[in-house]
Amino acid sequence: NAGVMQNPRHLVRRRGQEARLRCSPMKGHSHVYWYRQLPEEGLKFMVYLQKENIIDESGMPKERFSAEFPKEGPSILRIQQVVRGDSAAYFCASSPPLGGANYGYTFGSGTRLTVV
Amino acid sequence: GESVGLHLPTLSVQEGDNSIINCAYSNSASDYFIWYKQESGKGPQFIIDIRSNMDKRQGQRVTVLLNKTVKHLSLQIAATQPGDSAVYFCAENGNAGGTSYGKLTFGQGTILTVHP
Repeated sequence: NAGVMQNPRHLVRRRGQEARLRCSPMKGHSHVYWYRQLPEEGLKFMVYLQKENIIDESGMPKERFSAEFPKEGPSILRIQQVVRGDSAAYFCASSPPLGGANYGYTFGSGTRLTVV
Repeated sequence: GESVGLHLPTLSVQEGDNSIINCAYSNSASDYFIWYKQESGKGPQFIIDIRSNMDKRQGQRVTVLLNKTVKHLSLQIAATQPGDSAVYFCAENGNAGGTSYGKLTFGQGTILTVHP
């Protein structure tokens, strides 16, 4: 049973380009969460999604960031017109249908975005 | 705003010693707490959790203590091994239920270094 799969592991973008980060949840998991981690800091919640539905996006920046979890395929975190401050590790977690951190919340290995 | 923070950013111990990592939280509504271990280049790995109706929980070589009176959480690692070297984060799920269910708030992290 594969864990939470994130790709790419490393992504380099020039300022102004778009970054697309992908997350495939564990088999049987229908809830996905995205977190951002700046160097030497803890993870900061960005968004919580279920299939075709955004549940909580209170941690998402108002501009340039968007997330989706379509009926088919992985969840996508999209960052438009990247700036150097977007450089960070982005982690995805998934959980089973009961949802929530109390039930099998599992993290992927992350995507490390570098904006040059 | 509400936050979860750590008292000690770094901890160095000798192999075989016991380690104690501390965490303070400020959200009095928190009812569930988790300790994660994060190794370099990897995602957070679940270690142990505790609910607010408990004050102690033990796992294999690890014990979590919760003091709700002073909003303090600690992780004790017995007979620390070099493989325990990592960054340790506490996290809380202060809004279990509703649209925020599953959203975690992380502390800053403590770097544990175990010397052979």
